[in-house]
Amino acid sequence: ETGVTQTPRHLVMGMTNKKSLKCEQHLGHNAMYWYKQSAKKPLELMFVYSLEERVENNSVPSRFSPECPNSSHLFLHLHTLQPEDSALYLCASSQDLRGFTDTQYFGPGTRLTVL
Amino acid sequence: KNQVEQSPQSLIILEGKNCTLQCNYTVSPFSNLRWYKQDTGRGPVSLTIMTFSENTKSNGRYTATLDADTKQSSLHITASQLSDSASYICVVPNSGYALNFGKGTSLLVTP
Repeated sequence: ETGVTQTPRHLVMGMTNKKSLKCEQHLGHNAMYWYKQSAKKPLELMFVYSLEERVENNSVPSRFSPECPNSSHLFLHLHTLQPEDSALYLCASSQDLRGFTDTQYFGPGTRLTVL
Repeated sequence: KNQVEQSPQSLIILEGKNCTLQCNYTVSPFSNLRWYKQDTGRGPVSLTIMTFSENTKSNGRYTATLDADTKQSSLHITASQLSDSASYICVVPNSGYALNFGKGTSLLVTP
């Protein structure tokens, strides 16, 4: 399997549930990202990891908790979410953190609905 | 204010027709501009990357132009197909690792 994969593709959860999103990249990249995509808004960067170290936490509420156990895997743990957190959550990876030269490759996303 | 603005917000065209999408940016310093295609329910996929010195670049039926002086780019789609229906996102990187995303243009190609 190649590229960036994400599971699950769709998730419906209540506000009191705890769930996790998983991302795996098969590209040998060193950097991984979580984005939130809401309707009619630009993609919002949430977290950035480089070589398993978090380098960006873009003012994201603590109900979102990332985990990067190795350079190929990235998780987003969710708990006590709000309905406004419903969105498409995209994972991406790039060779390194050189924004001018490194292309980010995106996974298919997880469509999250919070009831 | 978003540093990348796209127009139109949405567009409907007949199959076989051409169309042009616009992107204006204010990101500085500038290195390159990227166009991504995002199918419904999928992640964005890179179409073209244009550097400061490039004016035109083609990828099949997609042709991107860049005017670094006026900070404008366009994406021209020739002989549109139903599979071109998607959101097209203009992206300009910062000097670090962050990307500046436009809101996208939603294109619908109808039979």
